[in-house]
Amino acid sequence: GAGVSQTPSNKVTEKGKYVELRCDPISGHTALYWYRQSLGQGPEFLIYFQGTGAADDSGLPNDRFFAVRPEGSVSTLKIQRTERGDSAVYLCASSLSAGNYGYTFGSGTRLTVV
Amino acid sequence: GQQLNQSPQSMFIQEGEDVSMNCTSSSIFNTWLWYKQEPGEGPVLLIALYKAGELTSNGRLTAQFGITRKDSFLNISASIPSDVGIYFCAGPRSLNSGNTPLVFGKGTRLSVIA
Repeated sequence: GAGVSQTPSNKVTEKGKYVELRCDPISGHTALYWYRQSLGQGPEFLIYFQGTGAADDSGLPNDRFFAVRPEGSVSTLKIQRTERGDSAVYLCASSLSAGNYGYTFGSGTRLTVV
Repeated sequence: GQQLNQSPQSMFIQEGEDVSMNCTSSSIFNTWLWYKQEPGEGPVLLIALYKAGELTSNGRLTAQFGITRKDSFLNISASIPSDVGIYFCAGPRSLNSGNTPLVFGKGTRLSVIA
């Protein structure tokens, strides 16, 4: 597509529920990144993929967070047993390849855990 | 990992004024990037800097890669209302890998008074 698409744009869920956030990167971009942005903060790195494999998942806060990119295109960020502290905007970005810093970001998914 | 400090945290300026903001780190960076984020959107890349001392312009925006490699500056000349937003500096999370993801500062929030 023309840009990075993230769905849903907003998600409200109850504490303890499971959520999935989807990212559709720019066609041909092999690197895909997930960031989390809390109010008043900059984007905080979570995980990135080069192709289908997670090249660096050191930013995931705990084992409730997991992400996949099975065909090297669309990625899904999965959060189990959500907590109120997970509330944030989750941003996805893609770039031509890892090491190419011309990231294109999506508009994000605003997750609210009540 | 690398950490970035941005100042000022926020600025209120009159339309037509010039703006200057900076980003510093206790560690050396080999790449500096400046992004702008508007409400409800993801960050958009403005300028990328790859060499110490480099000065690069993009329209009314000018950014410099500090000689010490520990700082970068962004200047906006003759500000206009559409310059409103949050400006983030970013750089590679680690010097030891060519494929490391970006780390972001906390941003400088710019407000322009018409």
